[in-house]
Amino acid sequence: AQSVTQPDIHITVSEGASLELRCNYSYGATPYLFWYVQSPGQGLQLLLKYFSGDTLVQGIKGFEAEFKRSQSSFNLRKPSVHWSDAAEYFCAVVPLPTDSWGKLQFGAGTQVVVTP
Amino acid sequence: GAVVSQHPSWVICKSGTSVKIECRSLDFQATTMFWYRQFPKQSLMLMATSNEGSKATYEQGVEKDKFLINHASLTLSTLTVTSAHPEDSSFYICSAKGLAGGSYEQYFGPGTRLTVT
Repeated sequence: AQSVTQPDIHITVSEGASLELRCNYSYGATPYLFWYVQSPGQGLQLLLKYFSGDTLVQGIKGFEAEFKRSQSSFNLRKPSVHWSDAAEYFCAVVPLPTDSWGKLQFGAGTQVVVTP
Repeated sequence: GAVVSQHPSWVICKSGTSVKIECRSLDFQATTMFWYRQFPKQSLMLMATSNEGSKATYEQGVEKDKFLINHASLTLSTLTVTSAHPEDSSFYICSAKGLAGGSYEQYFGPGTRLTVT
């Protein structure tokens, strides 16, 4: 079945430590890939996206993600987290081929807690 | 750029009444707007897709007579929850997709918290 999987429901990380959030997908063709962040009670903000080309993508707020076709993964990383990075992170895809609307399919999300 | 607003940000209503939520793209024209519902600690569930000037397309299991969507212009879509009940209490989020050809990026509003008492 077509799906987006975020294996980690909850991650706790110390401020200043590195962070990696996992995302795996299962589709016939490589979909368009996105990472969004949601702060408490807020809408979603796009961190970065991958359509094609360089497999290492730089985003906002110091985040980057690496697309690995062989592993069907699009993991999100940050070298040094800040307390303000505490939030819910969603991996999302637009499956291909897509209709003209480009509906997003979301993973379940990973809650990131940052400790002092 | 690419700002989407929602109004109201939170609303409390009594069971049996209707509530309208507005979603506006402030600095771009949105060909397509999406409405999502999010329960606490859960992911976003797509409810419907709307295109300006045409009827909304609802996802399976979403009652179109209960969740009325109108996309009257390229910058405004509304979601009306009719005859609301406590189980309709949720966080409703809209997103908008611009006119740029081949663009699949959605811009999200800040969400509306609905509580039905």
